[in-house]
Amino acid sequence: QQQVKQSPQSLIVQKGGISIINCAYENTAFDYFPWYQQFPGKGPALLIAIRPDVSEKKEGRFTISFNKSAKQFSLHIMDSQPGDSATYFCAPPKGAGNKLTFGGGTRVLVKP
Amino acid sequence: DTEVTQTPKHLVMGMTNKKSLKCEQHMGHRAMYWYKQKAKKPPELMFVYSYEKLSINESVPSRFSPECPNSSLLNLHLHALQPEDSALYLCASSQDLSHGRGFTDTQYFGPGTRLTVL
Repeated sequence: QQQVKQSPQSLIVQKGGISIINCAYENTAFDYFPWYQQFPGKGPALLIAIRPDVSEKKEGRFTISFNKSAKQFSLHIMDSQPGDSATYFCAPPKGAGNKLTFGGGTRVLVKP
Repeated sequence: DTEVTQTPKHLVMGMTNKKSLKCEQHMGHRAMYWYKQKAKKPPELMFVYSYEKLSINESVPSRFSPECPNSSLLNLHLHALQPEDSALYLCASSQDLSHGRGFTDTQYFGPGTRLTVL
């Protein structure tokens, strides 16, 4: 049972464009919504995260938008750069074991 | 310092070999994790340690044996692996297991060990 559905699976965007990745979740017990960024051959790294008491959070070129009623949250990458080319995962944690519930991942390619 | 280190970076082993993966963190974190990641897939949780005790085993085959000798170190002992066990093995740590509340839940990942089983 897939608890977090991430879309699209892959994304190609021109340099300077906007990348948008969406995650839909089922478990209303999630209360922390992080996005991880993973470069080839590296481990995932926390990029940005949001708590459900706010609808939007911005850090530099990265913005999370959160829609609690729709049970969706999205990552927007503004002014995309070739260095942003990576795989992005939404991964809200749940349960006593702090288990990250990974979405399927989105491979983003930013063309120069 | 938010670094998790893993050694070796690459490992090739035969199905009859015994090898170990090592993970280390010096952030004072009390929760440590092992994940397995296949190509083009998200990481899959294998084990969780909390305060040096095994907290979660995600029904991992016994050919994988975790060990947490102290609060900074996590090992994964490998024995009689199968070719399908070839993957990137990731270690992570977090401040503790705070039930998904707050930024203390941030998991810091190491770069991984690329394992190939022949």
